[in-house]
Amino acid sequence: NAGVTQTPKFQVLKTGQSMTLQCAQDMNHEYMSWYRQDPGMGLRLIHYSVGAGITDQGEVPNGYNVSRSTTEDFPLRLLSAAPSQTSVYFCASHRGGSRFEQFFGPGTRLTVL
Amino acid sequence: DAKTTQPPSMDCAEGRAANLPCNHSTISGNEYVYWYRQIHSQGPQYIIHGLKNNETNEMASLIITEDRKSSTLILPHATLRDTAVYYCIVSPVQGGSEKLVFGKGTKLTVNP
Repeated sequence: NAGVTQTPKFQVLKTGQSMTLQCAQDMNHEYMSWYRQDPGMGLRLIHYSVGAGITDQGEVPNGYNVSRSTTEDFPLRLLSAAPSQTSVYFCASHRGGSRFEQFFGPGTRLTVL
Repeated sequence: DAKTTQPPSMDCAEGRAANLPCNHSTISGNEYVYWYRQIHSQGPQYIIHGLKNNETNEMASLIITEDRKSSTLILPHATLRDTAVYYCIVSPVQGGSEKLVFGKGTKLTVNP
């Protein structure tokens, strides 16, 4: 299993540009999440999904959209990039119920100029 | 969600036990204690979790006080590769979905 994969690894955007961060998992996990991590800070939850077709907001959802059309994929869209969205983005997946182990991807480092 | 308090940094000698404390005085009865770690620039890694009993796995031990207001993560024989930021998180299981809220954690440095 590849686990959780994220693309791209690095990205530089100009203010106002849009882009999609890709996340995929091959573990058949129902739950997937997106987090951002700013320098010296812990992770903050952006959006999460409890299954295909179901998404919900986390702590810091503004400026981001998500959709979940398949179990495997959970893309994160930046609608109009702003410098405040410069961060490292992590995608995670896990099984629900009694499983508490979230598997994280390697991250996407995004810089917005 | 309950808040946690962790020291910002700790040091440990290689080969010795690392004991990382966490206070969660407002924890509710249905909230679990989770520990994750993040090695430099990598995604976080799950370590262990517990509700009220002490837990042990191949990575670490988790000791939860009887009143559940604090816990300690123990790495029995720390190595240089255990240098990382360790996060203590409390979170309920809501409808089968675990929502983890990460704080700033404890930066553990294992010294040779």
